[in-house]
Amino acid sequence: NAGVTQTPKFQVLKTGQSMTLQCAQDMNHNSMYWYRQDPGMGLRLIYYSASEGTTDKGEVPNGYNVSRLNKREFSLRLESAAPSQTSVYFCASRRDRVGQETQYFGPGTRLLVL
Amino acid sequence: AQSVTQLGSHVSVSEGALVLLRCNYSSSVPPYLFWYVQYPNQGLQLLLKYTSAATLVKGINGFEAEFKKSETSFHLTKPSAHMSDAAEYFCAVTLGGGADGLTFGKGTHLIIQP
Repeated sequence: NAGVTQTPKFQVLKTGQSMTLQCAQDMNHNSMYWYRQDPGMGLRLIYYSASEGTTDKGEVPNGYNVSRLNKREFSLRLESAAPSQTSVYFCASRRDRVGQETQYFGPGTRLLVL
Repeated sequence: AQSVTQLGSHVSVSEGALVLLRCNYSSSVPPYLFWYVQYPNQGLQLLLKYTSAATLVKGINGFEAEFKKSETSFHLTKPSAHMSDAAEYFCAVTLGGGADGLTFGKGTHLIIQP
């Protein structure tokens, strides 16, 4: 049981390049999330998905797109990377039942945009 | 909308001393509250959570937190600090129910002095 996995662990991009961050969970969770972490800012929600085929914007969605490919996988795409998107990106998942609000986090992807 | 305030971006205590990390929240409805810990270059690990059961919540590694509705607080404490407690600590809130993401505080870096 790997929990939440993310690839790649680290990536360097040039301004204007595109890339997709991958996330997968093996806990049969319904909801999945993408956050970004910046120094002194805590974590901020980018997008989330309540179920396969549905996605919703979070606090900071601009410059990102997401795809909930199936119940296990939730990807985050940067179409044209900007230096302001240099950050650590975390994927999380949770089961949507009362009493099971805990989100479980992946190890993160460190992205540097030059 | 909910929000979280963590007082003190850095807290320094001596090994063996009491640890107190402060968290205040605002929410229009009864919230679900969480404390997460992040060790360097790792993801977030759940320490403890409040989900409207007991107001005093015990977590892992000897940490506990008390939900005080009248003070809108959820402070994290540990009676005796250990060197291994040095990490970043995040307080987070969600309204539960649906698939809403977490709203995080900006984090408190705990420093343990020998």
